[in-house]
Amino acid sequence: DAGVTQSPTHLIKTRGQQVTLRCSPKSGHDTVSWYQQALGQGPQFIFQYYEEEERQRGNFPDRFSGHQFPNYSSELNVNALLLGDSALYLCASSLDLWGVGTDTQYFGPGTRLTVL
Amino acid sequence: EDKVVQSPLSLVVHEGDTVTLNCSYEVTNFRSLLWYKQEKKAPTFLFMLTSSGIEKKSGRLSSILDKKELFSILNITATQTGDSAVYLCAVQKTSGSRLTFGEGTQLTVNP
Repeated sequence: DAGVTQSPTHLIKTRGQQVTLRCSPKSGHDTVSWYQQALGQGPQFIFQYYEEEERQRGNFPDRFSGHQFPNYSSELNVNALLLGDSALYLCASSLDLWGVGTDTQYFGPGTRLTVL
Repeated sequence: EDKVVQSPLSLVVHEGDTVTLNCSYEVTNFRSLLWYKQEKKAPTFLFMLTSSGIEKKSGRLSSILDKKELFSILNITATQTGDSAVYLCAVQKTSGSRLTFGEGTQLTVNP
């Protein structure tokens, strides 16, 4: 049973560019959450997708947007990259619990984004 | 604002030692507290705690939650070098499922 997968593993961009990160959830899961983890910090919640809609959003600017596809996979897009966007971007998948939240979130290996 | 505080931030022990990691939280509408282990990249799930006073155990790891005092501890007995990692504590609210994480505890186990 494949766990959560993310691509690419590493990415180097320059300021002002745009980037797209991808996530495939664990088999049987229908909800995808994205987190940003700066060096030496705990992950920070960006947003969550369920039924192809953004269900919850953290304190991140509109430059961060996402999408969920009918097969439950998801993309995270970041526009107008800043140096401060350099971080590990983690995707977590889970199973929705009838609208009251989700079951345990399982994480992928992350995408290391470096902005120069 | 929801808050999760872990202590210590860093800990160095010798193989065979027992360690206790702490996590305190301030969150409205608390639903559950989760512990993850992060070695290189992907945090791996350890425990989910929802009820006070019930210890969860997996091998040499155990954890307990105190909902009155708003904290949890993670114990690791007979530590091994493979236990070296960052241990993350996160809380989840009844409304929605976003996780709010602490900074993590960096545990180093020396041979």
